Amino acid sequence: SQQGEEDPQALSIQEGENATMNCSYKTSINNLQWYRQNSGRGLVHLILIRSNEREKHSGRLRVTLDTSKKSSSLLITASRAADTASYFCAPINDYKLSFGAGTTVTVRA
Amino acid sequence: NAGVTQTPKFRVLKTGQSMTLLCAQDMNHEYMYWYRQDPGMGLRLIHYSVGEGTTAKGEVPDGYNVSRLKKQNFLLGLESAAPSQTSVYFCASRHGTGANQPQHFGDGTRLSIL
Repeated sequence: SQQGEEDPQALSIQEGENATMNCSYKTSINNLQWYRQNSGRGLVHLILIRSNEREKHSGRLRVTLDTSKKSSSLLITASRAADTASYFCAPINDYKLSFGAGTTVTVRA
Repeated sequence: NAGVTQTPKFRVLKTGQSMTLLCAQDMNHEYMYWYRQDPGMGLRLIHYSVGEGTTAKGEVPDGYNVSRLKKQNFLLGLESAAPSQTSVYFCASRHGTGANQPQHFGDGTRLSIL
């Protein structure tokens, strides 16, 4: 299956700093989504980037997509304690998402 | 508007027992999914449904069965539970109009098989 692989596995930053995480995938995709999962909860959709887009913004989130390198990145600017969560990329082929193991982000006060 | 509701939230079973996990959505979504989440492995798709009365196998279907008799409900059954099925199970749903639609997740069922 077309599985996203996130890097790094874990990230610890100070409140106010930026957090960057990367996603790689293996084959062509229709689009790619990013999700957040707070501890003990289900995943929540953050942002979608289409295969013909290179960058997209939503509030403090910035997502890039490089289809030639088969990679995407998620940047969270000016992080807050509430951003502490796991983040997953989900490349989409057909109507199924494939999730990797995620990046666990800890924001220290 | 509850979104996606999973019941039960927690369950402990003995090896060989059977049970059914219920997923209900109130968003009139066509597509529904069952995933399992294990440490270090992300979410893996077990079964999915593209509409009432239809189901299909995902990545890890063995040991599970599903039914979608009503559009709003998607049931996941374990006929004879095994310790390897200890996991957190998530249900998700989305509109059927294109692959770009986001999936909406429930908060999971934590299942332990002893």
